[in-house]
Formats: sequence, structure tokens, C-alpha cells
Amino acid sequence: AQSVTQPDIHITVSEGASLELRCNYSYGATPYLFWYVQSPGQGLQLLLKYFSGDTLVQGIKGFEAEFKRSQSSFNLRKPSVHWSDAAEYFCAVGEPNFGNEKLTFGTGTRLTIIP
Amino acid sequence: GAVVSQHPSWVICKSGTSVKIECRSLDFQATTMFWYRQFPKQSLMLMATSNEGSKATYEQGVEKDKFLINHASLTLSTLTVTSAHPEDSSFYICSARPSGAYNEQFFGPGTRLTVL
Repeated sequence: AQSVTQPDIHITVSEGASLELRCNYSYGATPYLFWYVQSPGQGLQLLLKYFSGDTLVQGIKGFEAEFKRSQSSFNLRKPSVHWSDAAEYFCAVGEPNFGNEKLTFGTGTRLTIIP
Repeated sequence: GAVVSQHPSWVICKSGTSVKIECRSLDFQATTMFWYRQFPKQSLMLMATSNEGSKATYEQGVEKDKFLINHASLTLSTLTVTSAHPEDSSFYICSARPSGAYNEQFFGPGTRLTVL
């Protein structure tokens, strides 16, 4: 079974600073990987995903993530954060079983932005 | 496009009553929908996978008689929490996979259930 670890429960960064959120996964083959963002009391919005190909993935809102197979990681980055980026971020791994894809989520990282 | 709605957005009920939550894909057809549960400050836990026209597949530890799922059409799945108790209070989120799509889920805004 797959699993996802987000080692950082809470991260605080200054507005305009760079950001990196860590994600490590455990899966027997090449997984499908996702990053989602959740604002308080809201559902999830997809930031980006990796299925195959280029290991550096560009997403919405200026986010990117890099798949590193050797490190079983899929870290999320943004060069300069904005106050509106404050939210909960979830990394997820998808099971490539066509017709019944299930997502396993990490425990999330709460991002706080300070002026 | 790819909008998923949930109704109601929040509900408060008395212990012992049943509550129905609707999940609709507004601008696409969804053969498969998923139901998640999220406790405060925790991650999403998959409860069940719902396929249109067939019985839902429940994850281990989820009581299928307590959490009834119906996926009667390609745009609607419902989750009924039967005989709700305070421990069922949670944030319930659904997602929908467009028919023919592969590993693409769109999430609803969630339903906050509080059982008194």
C-alpha cells in the first residue's frame, strides 16, 4: 500500500520569501503524485500533478514541484509567496489502477505567511 | 469547468437522526465519485468509492450500514449518515472523476456535519 509523509506540520514564511514544502512517498512502482491546497472550511484545489515525463512540473499560482525518484520525493516550491498562499497543503499519491484510482493523502502542512 | 458541488455546506442534527449529503458534478459526468472524511487539522481519509449504478466499495474500517452511499446517476452521489452520533461530527468531502478521464478528481467544497 502506498503512503505519503509530509514531515512539516506547520511552516511560517515571510511574504516574498521562497517556499519549499516537503513530501515523501512510499509506493512500489512509479506513482501518480499530486499537490492540493485547502483554504479553511473549503474543499481541495489541485495545484499540480505528475504522471510521467519531465520531472519538474509547473502548476497554478506560480507553484512547481520536482519528482525525484531516488529520494522518493515530490517537494513543492514557490520562489516568492504571497499572503494569499496561506492555507493547508496536501501531497497525495495516486494508485494507477484504471477505473478505481484512489488517492492517499499526507497529513498536510499548514502554511502561515507573515508580513 | 469541472465544478463539483455539495449540499448542504453545513448541517447540525440531533443524535440518532439521519443526514443526507449530496455531491453533484455540475458540468461533467462522473462514473466514479469518492467520499472522504476529514477531522479537524487532519488529513483526508477515503471512506468509499462510488461507481454509478453499482454498490460502493468501502475502505477497511468504514461501516457500510452506517454510511450509505448511492450513486444513481452520472452526476449525483449521496452519502447518508444513519443514526448519527457525536463522533460522526466531521467534515465530509466528495470528489468526482470525469467519465473517461484517468486519475483526475475534482473536489467539492465539503460539508460540515455537527451531531449534538
